Amino acid sequence: EAQVTQNPRYLITVTGKKLTVTCSQNMNHEYMSWYRQDPGLGLRQIYYSMNVEVTDKGDVPEGYKVSRKEKRNFPLILESPSPNQTSLYFCASSFSSGEKLFFGSGTQLSVL
Amino acid sequence: GQSLEQPSEVTAVEGAIVQINCTYQTSGFYGLSWYQQHDGGAPTFLSYNALDGLEETGRFSSFLSRSDSYGYLLLQELQMKDSASYFCAVRDNYGQNFVFGPGTRLSVLP
Repeated sequence: EAQVTQNPRYLITVTGKKLTVTCSQNMNHEYMSWYRQDPGLGLRQIYYSMNVEVTDKGDVPEGYKVSRKEKRNFPLILESPSPNQTSLYFCASSFSSGEKLFFGSGTQLSVL
Repeated sequence: GQSLEQPSEVTAVEGAIVQINCTYQTSGFYGLSWYQQHDGGAPTFLSYNALDGLEETGRFSSFLSRSDSYGYLLLQELQMKDSASYFCAVRDNYGQNFVFGPGTRLSVLP
């Protein structure tokens, strides 16, 4: 089954404790991206990647890191999480020339 | 910069037709997409317009006018299960970036 898999689904952590949210897709998509969703603000792009070893900042990259060492994986790293990073996070992927984004099921992150 | 505008809320009754508008300002433009998101769920793709005109997919249709930087999603024969948030999104910067609107909350009443 074609899918984007995100883990974990829920995560509660404390300020400053490094964490990684994993994202993997099995559709051989070139394009992958991370979004955060906050009430009233829609989906805001954090980082995106056009292919292996090619990443770029989205609209809200501060406090986040990403890497794309393999085509299928695109982890999101919070080196020192802060409470303002409490949010619902989505990973998504598509073909580079495609118009359709496939989303993971989301990660609800709470930073205390 | 880039920005998209949508109404924040729309309410309609079962069986009715509703139109959700989206206006955009972007640097470069590849196409306009629409996504549906139910509470607690992930966004799912509904439709895409790269060229002017109407695209129809079952009860849903989407329209684009590139000259007006405007599009809309038309939902016909509304059902209770259509209650959800709907997001328009543009792909710009030569196809490198998807940018989403703030979303429209659709409530379908019996």
